[in-house]
Amino acid sequence: GAVVSQHPSWVICKSGTSVKIECRSLDFQATTMFWYRQFPKQSLMLMATSNEGSKATYEQGVEKDKFLINHASLTLSTLTVTSAHPEDSSFYICSAFSADTQYFGPGTRLTVL
Amino acid sequence: TQLLEQSPQFLSIQEGENLTVYCNSSSVFSSLQWYRQEPGEGPVLLVTVVTGGEVKKLKRLTFQFGDARKDSSLHITAAQPGDTGLYLCAGSSGGYQKVTFGTGTKLQVIP
Repeated sequence: GAVVSQHPSWVICKSGTSVKIECRSLDFQATTMFWYRQFPKQSLMLMATSNEGSKATYEQGVEKDKFLINHASLTLSTLTVTSAHPEDSSFYICSAFSADTQYFGPGTRLTVL
Repeated sequence: TQLLEQSPQFLSIQEGENLTVYCNSSSVFSSLQWYRQEPGEGPVLLVTVVTGGEVKKLKRLTFQFGDARKDSSLHITAAQPGDTGLYLCAGSSGGYQKVTFGTGTKLQVIP
C-alpha cells in the first residue's frame, strides 16, 4: 500500500517556541492531506484539511494562526505549531488518500515543557 | 456534525474469548472503515465496507455494515494477545471527503 511518513517522530520543545512537523506521501501524490490530533487514550480529532496550492480548511475551534499549515507540493504538507504551550502537547497524525484509501503517517509526539 | 459512538469504550478479556465492538451513528455514510492503532503509531486500516448489509471477514475478524449504512460492528473470534490495541471506526461521505472517527475502543487481551 501507499506510504505516508512524518518527521520528526517525536519532539520536545520549550514553551513559546515554534515546532514544524512534516508529512510526506512517499510513493504517490496527494492534493489533499489531513492533520489530526490525538490525546492519550482518545480518538483522532480532525484539525484541518491541507490543500496543495491553496489555503487549508480548519475545523471549528482550531486556531489557524496557531496551527499553520503549508501544502507547497503534491507530496509535502507541513504543520507548524506556533508559540507552543504545554496544552499543545499531543500526538499529531497526518493522512492522505491514495486510490480512495486513506493512509496515515506514523504520528509525531509533541511535548511542550 | 457527524458523530460515531463506539461501545464498549474499554474491553479486557482473556485469550480465546470472543468479542464484538459496535460503531453507531445517526448519520449515513457512503463507506466505513475500521482501523487498529497501537501506542505511538498511526492507525492501520483493517477493512472498508461500502454496501449496506455487507459482511467482510479477515481471518478471525468479521465486519458488518448496517443495512442503513449508519452503524457497523467488528466481531473477533478467539481473541489473541496480538489483537490488543485501540480499534477505531471511521465514516466517510465519499471520495476524498474528510473522515469522521469514532470514539474508539481500547481492547486488552490477557494471555
